[in-house]
Amino acid sequence: KNEVEQSPQNLTAQEGEFITINCSYSVGISALHWLQQHPGGGIVSLFMLSSGKKKHGRLIATINIQEKHSSLHITASHPRDSAVYICAVPSGEASGSRLTFGEGTQLTVNP
Amino acid sequence: NAGVTQTPKFRILKIGQSMTLQCTQDMNHNYMYWYRQDPGMGLKLIYYSVGAGITDKGEVPNGYNVSRSTTEDFPLRLELAAPSQTSVYFCASSYGVGRGGRAGNQPQHFGDGTRLSIL
Repeated sequence: KNEVEQSPQNLTAQEGEFITINCSYSVGISALHWLQQHPGGGIVSLFMLSSGKKKHGRLIATINIQEKHSSLHITASHPRDSAVYICAVPSGEASGSRLTFGEGTQLTVNP
Repeated sequence: NAGVTQTPKFRILKIGQSMTLQCTQDMNHNYMYWYRQDPGMGLKLIYYSVGAGITDKGEVPNGYNVSRSTTEDFPLRLELAAPSQTSVYFCASSYGVGRGGRAGNQPQHFGDGTRLSIL
């Protein structure tokens, strides 16, 4: 089973700051997921990446397959970015239909 | 498209009662999942299904049952509710290629969750 660790668990920032959230996993994967859980509880998929970097607006996700590590960056952070950010990876090739989720990073951006 | 729809949004049960959490999706996804999320914890997989008529246990299946009679619907049944089942439940769906296929490479679409309290 793939183990997923996220850091930090909690992060507080001032509006405009550059944010980095980290994710490490234990078993080689074909793709890594970043998700966002809104304060109201809804969960949306932000990125799925297998190599390099992806960008969507102010969000950037990077992955280093060799180091089994991914980062989610938020540029020019805004209070509406306050949410829980979750990293997830396939549980293993034998169970490629399942994801293992990290415990999430609670981000609070203050105005 | 409505996406993934879960009902109810909130429910309070007494110990020993039973109920069914409903989940339906209109994206023609073959894979569907039920998760529970306890405070401060990551999502834990209860059951999943790779297609109509096929279901498999996840990490925490005890106390739950599922069925998948159609592509669209994946209800979760709680029998003999216990306080340990107090949690937020999420249903999700995704594309996948066959049983054990690479659905891990497909984004999952989540419902809004059901907040369940057992008292």
